[in-house]
Amino acid sequence: QQPVQSPQAVILREGEDAVINCSSSKALYSVHWYRQKHGEAPVFLMILLKGGEQKGHDKISASFNEKKQQSSLYLTASQLSYSGTYFCGTSLWDSGSRLTFGEGTQLTVNP
Amino acid sequence: DTGVSQNPRHKITKRGQNVTFRCDPISEHNRLYWYRQTLGQGPEFLTYFQNEAQLEKSRLLSDRFSAERPKGSFSTLEIQRTEQGDSAMYLCASSLSTGGYTEAFFGQGTRLTVV
Repeated sequence: QQPVQSPQAVILREGEDAVINCSSSKALYSVHWYRQKHGEAPVFLMILLKGGEQKGHDKISASFNEKKQQSSLYLTASQLSYSGTYFCGTSLWDSGSRLTFGEGTQLTVNP
Repeated sequence: DTGVSQNPRHKITKRGQNVTFRCDPISEHNRLYWYRQTLGQGPEFLTYFQNEAQLEKSRLLSDRFSAERPKGSFSTLEIQRTEQGDSAMYLCASSLSTGGYTEAFFGQGTRLTVV
């Protein structure tokens, strides 16, 4: 079942923060976050495995709440380069096979 | 460049024709995935290989679709008797894993237009 992402779109000014959520009605094993710019390939950001760990690099971090089956992506002090569509991909087991992606969240960072 | 390479980047075909796409994964990666993406949507899983074995196929993958990875390296995706509904971006991704999940890297995709 497809995860639900919210919000569908967000517009920021450079330096502002944003949170993107990814929710599932089923128990998840892992959540994968990608960013895709128009006409380009999705670019991997991070994986979170069940266990509620939080990951991050630079000013982008993410968490996975196993009780809520929800992952959140945190973008702090946003930069113009953060603009793009963010997708979460989820898996229900640890087979390393299919990911089911949400519909995406379009993030626009303006100067 | 050692990223995932897909060819061709664009393909325009007439309805009813057959098309074949190629994906060259990152050289040491043992897993290869095919996804399809339409405008405004996230990628949809089509099929997945571990080395040369095709381990999973989506129900979206009708009999007109076939994928191969003959020597566990490059892969091809063929669509027979194309339909207008097949128009989409076809994405290939690869990963290196001995179990569980690691990051998958996507290629730039092949954009198919069926006229």
